[in-house]
Amino acid sequence: EPEVTQTPSHQVTQMGQEVILRCVPISNHLYFYWYRQILGQKVEFLVSFYNNEISEKSEIFDDQFSVERPDGSNFTLKIRSTKLEDSAMYFCASSALTVNEKLFFGSGTQLSVL
Amino acid sequence: GQQLNQSPQSMFIQEGEDVSMNCTSSSIFNTWLWYKQEPGEGPVLLIALYKAGELTSNGRLTAQFGITRKDSFLNISASIPSDVGIYFCAGQPGQNFVFGPGTRLSVLP
Repeated sequence: EPEVTQTPSHQVTQMGQEVILRCVPISNHLYFYWYRQILGQKVEFLVSFYNNEISEKSEIFDDQFSVERPDGSNFTLKIRSTKLEDSAMYFCASSALTVNEKLFFGSGTQLSVL
Repeated sequence: GQQLNQSPQSMFIQEGEDVSMNCTSSSIFNTWLWYKQEPGEGPVLLIALYKAGELTSNGRLTAQFGITRKDSFLNISASIPSDVGIYFCAGQPGQNFVFGPGTRLSVLP
């Protein structure tokens, strides 16, 4: 069964460093998302992406964050200058359509900012 | 922003028992999704609901999209130890999904 894959599974970084989290969405999907989950809390929406541009973003997705689809298969989330509070599990998700569709998640990247 | 509430927050049940949990919102949703998350893993989609009143089953799981479009419930029948995890509802008020805080299920043998 097709799945969303994310790399790395764990990332440890120093505060102020840049990190890039990588995702390969399901191949025939058109809509891509990043969510995050701080330990013990609910899953929070960060950003959605369609047709090579951001469709919607939350208040969390400030100027330190950016997304890119550098080629036909990868979808990346960059945090330019990490802060301690960026420590969380980051999930990539994709769907075939945007409305009335199923959202499929990857297994996440655990980001730890020291 | 959109808020979802889930109840109960946590539950401890004996293996073999049936489980019921629900999700409510102050806003109307177009779609409801139910996910299960195990430690260190991403949410795994269990059931998707698209129409008010819709009742859908997936094995021992049954979920319904409330008539008011502001709630949904998930039932698990004859629970087994591997049902342990956090169950999240996710609703789609517009283009994107918002998640509830989850119901943590523990199954005692």
